[in-house]
Amino acid sequence: SQKIEQNSEALNIQEGKTATLTCNYTNYSPAYLQWYRQDPGRGPVFLLLIRENEKEKRKERLKVTFDTTLKQSLFHITASQPADSATYLCALAGYSSASKIIFGSGTRLSIRP
Amino acid sequence: EAQVTQNPRYLITVTGKKLTVTCSQNMNHEYMSWYRQDPGLGLRQIYYSMNVEVTDKGDVPEGYKVSRKEKRNFPLILESPSPNQTSLYFCASRKDREQNSPLHFGNGTRLTVT
Repeated sequence: SQKIEQNSEALNIQEGKTATLTCNYTNYSPAYLQWYRQDPGRGPVFLLLIRENEKEKRKERLKVTFDTTLKQSLFHITASQPADSATYLCALAGYSSASKIIFGSGTRLSIRP
Repeated sequence: EAQVTQNPRYLITVTGKKLTVTCSQNMNHEYMSWYRQDPGLGLRQIYYSMNVEVTDKGDVPEGYKVSRKEKRNFPLILESPSPNQTSLYFCASRKDREQNSPLHFGNGTRLTVT
C-alpha cells in the first residue's frame, strides 16, 4: 500500500543552523509533492509545491528537493529561527483529480535560541 | 480575509447522539474536503467534494455523511457517533480539482465521544 514516512522523532536545532526534514514514500508515483506547516491548535498551512520534473524549489529561507529515484523529498530551513518551530507535513498527489492526496504524519521541529 | 471556518472548535458528546460540524469557505473554491488527524496516522481523508452536489468517499468514510448544497458550505454529519470517532477534524478547500492547487485548512474541530 502507499506509504509516506517522515522523521518520527522530533528535531531539535540550534537557532541559525539549517534544519533538514525528510519525507520518504513507497508504492506511489506522485506528480506533486507539497509541504505544509502546522502549529499547535491550528490547521496546516501550505508552504511549497514541487513537481516530479523539478529537482529543487526555493522560497525565501525554504528549499525543497525532490528525488523520484530515491523516492524522497528533503525540506530545508536555512538560518532557522525559534518562530520556525512547528510540525511540518509532506503530502503527495497524483496528476488525476480523482487521485488521493496522501499526508505524512509530520515531523516536529524545535529551534532553540 | 480569505479563510475556511469550522464550528465548533471543541465538542464533547455521548455515543449515539447525532452531531454536525459546519465548514464554510469564502474563497469561491470548487473543491472541499474533510480530514481526521490522529497521532501517528497523519491526515486521513473522510469525504471530498469536487463541486456542488458532487461528493465522494475518501479513505475513512464509515460513520460519516456530508452534503454540498451550496458552494461555500460542506458540513460533516455523524449520525451515531462512537468513541473511535474521537479525533481532530479539519475541513479544507482548494480553488479547483487540480492537484497542484494548495489546500486551505480550517483551524480544526476537536471531537470527543464518550
